[in-house]
Amino acid sequence: AQSVTQLDSQVPVFEEAPVELRCNYSSSVSVYLFWYVQYPNQGLQLLLKYLSGSTLVKGINGFEAEFNKSQTSFHLRKPSVHISDTAEYFCAVSGYGGYQKVTFGTGTKLQVIP
Amino acid sequence: DTGVSQNPRHKITKRGQNVTFRCDPISEHNRLYWYRQTLGQGPEFLTYFQNEAQLEKSRLLSDRFSAERPKGSFSTLEIQRTEQGDSAMYLCASSPTGENNEQFFGPGTRLTVL
Repeated sequence: AQSVTQLDSQVPVFEEAPVELRCNYSSSVSVYLFWYVQYPNQGLQLLLKYLSGSTLVKGINGFEAEFNKSQTSFHLRKPSVHISDTAEYFCAVSGYGGYQKVTFGTGTKLQVIP
Repeated sequence: DTGVSQNPRHKITKRGQNVTFRCDPISEHNRLYWYRQTLGQGPEFLTYFQNEAQLEKSRLLSDRFSAERPKGSFSTLEIQRTEQGDSAMYLCASSPTGENNEQFFGPGTRLTVL
């Protein structure tokens, strides 16, 4: 079984400032990792995913995340945020191979302040 | 639009009534998932279909809940004798058969039970 912890429920940040949203996971097996974004009253959109290979993963909208196996973390970063980045961000984990249930964290609300 | 679609987008019902939601996945996707998302939480897994076969059900899916995918295409989620605690966003996702488990989400159906 896997679990995901998103330590910050809300993160306020000024426009054009950098941001990091933290995610830690727990698993007894190798994992795939995902970050999804959810805008109000909408479904989830995939930002980026780590499957294997390079531990630095680049996604859409200028976001990137780094997989750190020793620290079991997958933090999401953006060097300069825009007002349009205001949304809720979910970290998620699944096991390898065929169908594996995806487990989501509780989410982090990013509030970009003009 | 070739994304995942869900209908209705919003449903308000009185306690004790039955409701049914529909999900149309991306056409070539064999896997289909239902999730429930309550306020301040990440999506919680409800059930999973591989084609028309329901292969996994969460303990969250009580006897009042039933899901079908009769022809391996669209799926329905029915809740009988709704309770106020059923109020939530119900999300559907689909993915192709394969190893990376990336799921594509629909916009969700928001259920309010009065």
